[in-house]
Amino acid sequence: AQSVTQLGSHVSVSEGALVLLRCNYSSSVPPYLFWYVQYPNQGLQLLLKYTSAATLVKGINGFEAEFKKSETSFHLTKPSAHMSDAAEYFCAVSDYQAGTALIFGKGTTLSVSS
Amino acid sequence: DTGVSQDPRHKITKRGQNVTFRCDPISEHNRLYWYRQTLGQGPEFLTYFQNEAQLEKSRLLSDRFSAERPKGSFSTLEIQRTEQGDSAMYLCASSTGQNYGYTFGSGTRLTVV
Repeated sequence: AQSVTQLGSHVSVSEGALVLLRCNYSSSVPPYLFWYVQYPNQGLQLLLKYTSAATLVKGINGFEAEFKKSETSFHLTKPSAHMSDAAEYFCAVSDYQAGTALIFGKGTTLSVSS
Repeated sequence: DTGVSQDPRHKITKRGQNVTFRCDPISEHNRLYWYRQTLGQGPEFLTYFQNEAQLEKSRLLSDRFSAERPKGSFSTLEIQRTEQGDSAMYLCASSTGQNYGYTFGSGTRLTVV
């Protein structure tokens, strides 16, 4: 069965600092991997996705993630944090078989201080 | 394209009452998903439709829950005899395919008192 582990339920950074949110996955088949962001009382917005093309994926708002098969990881990074990045971030995994739903991690809350 | 719409945004109901939520997906998306999200947790999969066919249901979807997608367009999620444990955000998402990710609606927040 597929699963996602997000290390660290809460990450705090200063404005301008590097953002690193960790995600490890478990999948018996080649996975599709996603990062979503959720602002309070809103739905989830897709940040970026890995679907077996380039291992370094660039997303919206300056975020990127690197798929590392050997480490079963898909960590999310941003070189310089902005106050508006404060939100909840979810990593999700699926596989290429039709109909399989996305499985989400428990999320990481990112706080950004000035 | 107005995105995925969910109605209502908020619902407060008394324990034991029935509630129904509606989701209108992006028109060209043939796949529709329902998720439940409780405080401090990631979304948990409930059920999935491809067109009008309900293809997958989670064990979380007890017999008090039922979902429909008549004619492969909008979908409804009904909860009968609500319990306090049903209090959560119910999220709907739609997609055109497995590798495109989902577009989520803003959710319906249910509070059972």
